[in-house]
Amino acid sequence: DIQMTQSPSSVSVSVGDRVTITCRASRTISNYLNWYQQKPGKAPKLLIYAASSLQSGVPSSFSGSGSATDFTLTISGLQPEDFATYYCQQTYSTPYTFGQGTKLEIK
Amino acid sequence: QVQLVESGGGLVKPGGSLRLSCAASGFTFSDYYMSWIRQAPGKGLEWVSYISSSSSSTNYADSVKGRFTISRDNAKNSVYLQMNTLRAEDTAVYYCARRYTSSAPYDYWGQGTLVTVSS
Repeated sequence: DIQMTQSPSSVSVSVGDRVTITCRASRTISNYLNWYQQKPGKAPKLLIYAASSLQSGVPSSFSGSGSATDFTLTISGLQPEDFATYYCQQTYSTPYTFGQGTKLEIK
Repeated sequence: QVQLVESGGGLVKPGGSLRLSCAASGFTFSDYYMSWIRQAPGKGLEWVSYISSSSSSTNYADSVKGRFTISRDNAKNSVYLQMNTLRAEDTAVYYCARRYTSSAPYDYWGQGTLVTVSS
């Protein structure tokens, strides 16, 4: 199985800040890397697919980059509604594993 | 608009069975792969299973292989998860989600249904 490791596990940031979350795959996954946002009690929401493509309707403050094994999600100009937990997921091979999540908390 | 609505969750004893359903609307269901993904209380996301658009292909996480069976009925726009020999560690919110191809992202998710395995 491909292991997905996110860092940090949690981070305290302020409204207006820029934050970068990293995701590392245990072996190459090309660009089959997706990012999701999840708020408490809600289903995950797709933000970024294929490592860097922005899902329709998602603000351009979200961006993704990377390939092979190392990927990043960057959120610029954090808004109050962005405080949530973020997950990466590989869809290169089954089982389609997720990272353990990164929780963004308000400083 | 796209909607995925799960049902069938509840409290079941260890060793018991449960069948989850997911009713889809707002898109051509037969064009999409469907999956089940779960989340234990306070934990992260775990992919459980997928079924291809024509039911020709299925796949399971090792943690459920041999106990869970995914199926679909394209005439009823529904996907199912038959869960047998349930264990306490199967306690989770179960989400159904769609994707367009075998490697595509999950672009729509249901709201989830809670399965609790406890005596």
